[in-house]
Amino acid sequence: AQKITQTQPGMFVQEKEAVTLDCTYDTSDPSYGLFWYKQPSSGEMIFLIYQGSYDQQNATEGRYSLNFQKARKSANLVISASQLGDSAMYFCAMRSNSGNTPLVFGKGTRLSVIA
Amino acid sequence: DAMVIQNPRYQVTQFGKPVTLSCSQTLNHNVMYWYQQKSSQAPKLLFHYYDKDFNNEADTPDNFQSRRPNTSFCFLDIRSPGLGDAAMYLCATSRVLADNEQFFGPGTRLTVL
Repeated sequence: AQKITQTQPGMFVQEKEAVTLDCTYDTSDPSYGLFWYKQPSSGEMIFLIYQGSYDQQNATEGRYSLNFQKARKSANLVISASQLGDSAMYFCAMRSNSGNTPLVFGKGTRLSVIA
Repeated sequence: DAMVIQNPRYQVTQFGKPVTLSCSQTLNHNVMYWYQQKSSQAPKLLFHYYDKDFNNEADTPDNFQSRRPNTSFCFLDIRSPGLGDAAMYLCATSRVLADNEQFFGPGTRLTVL
C-alpha cells in the first residue's frame, strides 16, 4: 500500500521569498510517480509538477521544483519567489506504475503568502 | 479550450433525495475519475472508467453509482444522500491510466440538508 505524509497543515511565507512544502511517501513498488497539485479556494485541482522514481534529475516547472530524495522517500515542493496568487492548498500525491493503481493524496498543506 | 466541466458548481439536496452530478470533457481522454473531498481532507477516489470499463474502489459505498454514456460524459449518482455525503466532488480525466497528469474539473460542492 502507498502512503503520503504531509506534516505541515499550514505554512506562511513572505511575498517574493522561497518556501518548501514537505512530502514523504511510503511504497514497496520500485516504479512510481510523484505529483504536486495546487487547489485554490475555487476548488479545482491544478497539476504543478511530476517526478518519476527513475528520473535522475529533480523536476522543475517554472517557479516550482521538486526536491526528490529517493533514499529518504521525500519529494518536497519548492516554490521560488512566492506570489500572493500562490496562496492555496497544496497536495502531494503518488501513483504506482504497476497495474491500474489510483493516485493517493496526502492531506495537504495550506500555504498563505503574506504581502 | 479543451477542459473538464462540472455542473452544477453548487448542488443542494435533501437527506435521502437522489442527486446526480455531471462531468463532461473535451479532451477526448479515455479515463474519467470521480473523487470525493470532504472539508480539510485529501481527495478520495470513488471510482473510474477506462472507456466503458467501470472500476469501483473497494471502500466506495453502494450508495454511489456512476454512468458513462459516451466518451465525453460521466455522471455520479448518489441514491440516498446522507449528511455525511456533503463534500466537494471532483471529476478528473487522463488519456490513459498510466498518464503522468490528471486534469481536474472545478468540482461540485454538495450540500445535504
